[in-house]
Amino acid sequence: EAQVTQNPRYLITVTGKKLTVTCSQNMNHEYMSWYRQDPGLGLRQIYYSMNVEVTDKGDVPEGYKVSRKEKRNFPLILESPSPNQTSLYFCASSKKDSSVYEQYFGPGTRLTVT
Amino acid sequence: AQRVTQPEKLLSVFKGAPVELKCNYSYSGSPELFWYVQYSRQRLQLLLRHISRESIKGFTADLNKGETSFHLKKPFAQEEDSAMYYCALEETSGSRLTFGEGTQLTVNP
Repeated sequence: EAQVTQNPRYLITVTGKKLTVTCSQNMNHEYMSWYRQDPGLGLRQIYYSMNVEVTDKGDVPEGYKVSRKEKRNFPLILESPSPNQTSLYFCASSKKDSSVYEQYFGPGTRLTVT
Repeated sequence: AQRVTQPEKLLSVFKGAPVELKCNYSYSGSPELFWYVQYSRQRLQLLLRHISRESIKGFTADLNKGETSFHLKKPFAQEEDSAMYYCALEETSGSRLTFGEGTQLTVNP
């Protein structure tokens, strides 16, 4: 089954404790992206990757890191999490359909930083 | 910078009534526009895109470049349409997708 998976789905952690949220897709998509979803703010892009070893900042990259060593994986790293990073995080990947990318989303990871 | 605005955070209609979810955008290039939907406890999924000129689940959306709008419409709302709807704009290069704030649609019986 074609899908985007994220782990963990729920995470409660403390300020300053490094964490990684994994994202994997099995559709051989080149493009992957991370978003955070906050009430009243919609989805905001954190980082994206056009291909292996190619990453770029989105709209809200501060406090986050990513890597793209393999095509299927795009982990999100919080080196020193803070309470303002409490949010719902979505990973997405996309294929090229004509001239338009259609994004497929993962189930989300709810992160709470205390 | 590109921007997407959805002026209504909450929208409530009765079953069978017409519904219109508003979306306005600002972008200097030629936009690619989408509507995504998130049903309760489900992941975000594509509803429709302007380039396809399609109708999905009875919804349609027309790109109006003069008014820089991409409103989502359905003539007769159903209870199962209750969900969060996001309008999104993609840069021509395909590298970035900018979402609006979202509109929570509730269709009452």
